Amino acid sequence: AQSVTQPDIHITVSEGASLELRCNYSYGATPYLFWYVQSPGQGLQLLLKYFSGDTLVQGIKGFEAEFKRSQSSFNLRKPSVHWSDAAEYFCAVDQDTGRRALTFGSGTRLQVQP
Amino acid sequence: DSGVTQTPKHLITATGQRVTLRCSPRSGDLSVYWYQQSLDQGLQFLIQYYNGEERAKGNILERFSAQQFPDLHSELNLSSLELGDSALYFCASSSRLAGGSGELFFGEGSRLTVL
Repeated sequence: AQSVTQPDIHITVSEGASLELRCNYSYGATPYLFWYVQSPGQGLQLLLKYFSGDTLVQGIKGFEAEFKRSQSSFNLRKPSVHWSDAAEYFCAVDQDTGRRALTFGSGTRLQVQP
Repeated sequence: DSGVTQTPKHLITATGQRVTLRCSPRSGDLSVYWYQQSLDQGLQFLIQYYNGEERAKGNILERFSAQQFPDLHSELNLSSLELGDSALYFCASSSRLAGGSGELFFGEGSRLTVL
């Protein structure tokens, strides 16, 4: 069965510092991969997605992610974090290649220090 | 604002009771998904409907059922509630059944507390 692992439960970075959130997946075929963000009391908002093609994908709010098939990873990055980026971040894989019945990781909570 | 509306936002009930959660998808979206977010299980896919028909099923308990109506709104029915059913229930919608670059748009969730 496919799975998604986010090894970091909680990360704290200083405002202006760079950020990398890790995501590893287990999936037999070429996966559809997603990163979502959830702010307190809010639903999930899509940051970016990877289906095929260029392995470096750009998303909203200055985020990017790189798909590395050899490492089964899809890490999320941002060069300079803003205080408003404090939230919980979820990596997800589409378990039925396109049906959007997503399997989510356990999430990484990001704290931003002033 | 994603355009997906969920009601109620908060619901407190007792064990053994039955509740109904409602979801209105984005205008024009035919596909509706239900997800459960709990502290111990994380975010789990429950069920998907497309244009009134069930299309995919995840970790949905037999005590739970859902349907999508002709006007495309969906309801998730939870019965014989247990303490462990306390969770945030999300609805999401998409314009497509499958494939392509379509994305899911999530509502803000219905928080269910079972006492």
